[in-house]
Amino acid sequence: DGGITQSPKYLFRKEGQNVTLSCEQNLNHDAMYWYRQDPGQGLRLIYYSQIVNDFQKGDIAEGYSVSREKKESFPLTVTSAQKNPTAFYLCASLTSGSLTGELFFGEGSRLTVL
Amino acid sequence: AQSVAQPEDQVNVAEGNPLTVKCTYSVSGNPYLFWYVQYPNRGLQFLLKYITGDNLVKGSYGFEAEFNKSQTSFHLKKPSALVSDSALYFCAVRELGTYKYIFGTGTRLKVLA
Repeated sequence: DGGITQSPKYLFRKEGQNVTLSCEQNLNHDAMYWYRQDPGQGLRLIYYSQIVNDFQKGDIAEGYSVSREKKESFPLTVTSAQKNPTAFYLCASLTSGSLTGELFFGEGSRLTVL
Repeated sequence: AQSVAQPEDQVNVAEGNPLTVKCTYSVSGNPYLFWYVQYPNRGLQFLLKYITGDNLVKGSYGFEAEFNKSQTSFHLKKPSALVSDSALYFCAVRELGTYKYIFGTGTRLKVLA
């Protein structure tokens, strides 16, 4: 079955450590996204990528980095520069290359900084 | 800047009663609007979207939404609520001319048995 796989589902990190969250899709979608979810704040866009080898900053990109070397993969690195990284992270892909498609989401990764 | 607002943090409704979850938008031009649902510790699931055409949009699980241009609203509705509809609901808008999707802060729906 086609879908988006995010791993790990739960991750604990010590302050000062970088951590990479994996996002893999087998839907053949071109565009992919990373969102951060905090209680009461909804979803905030971190980065998005319209096509391989290209990505754009979202609204809260500081302290994060991404790469898009393959169509299927869009990993997110949470660096030590991110001041408050504890959150639920959601990866998504766009169902259509047109401007009318909707986002398809993975199951999320919960990061806790100890 | 384009945005959506969900004015209610929580909505409570009795099972069997109609439900409405509110969303208003602020965009220039014609908006592309979406509703998603999220169950605890899960990703978001797409319910429905408005792109153009009929103002009443029907979606998954018996949900529908009404696009109202004069009131800049896109409220989510269901004629008869189920306890299993209890979840977090998000309204979203696609920023015109870009690949960015902007989400509201979410509304928690509780359906009481």
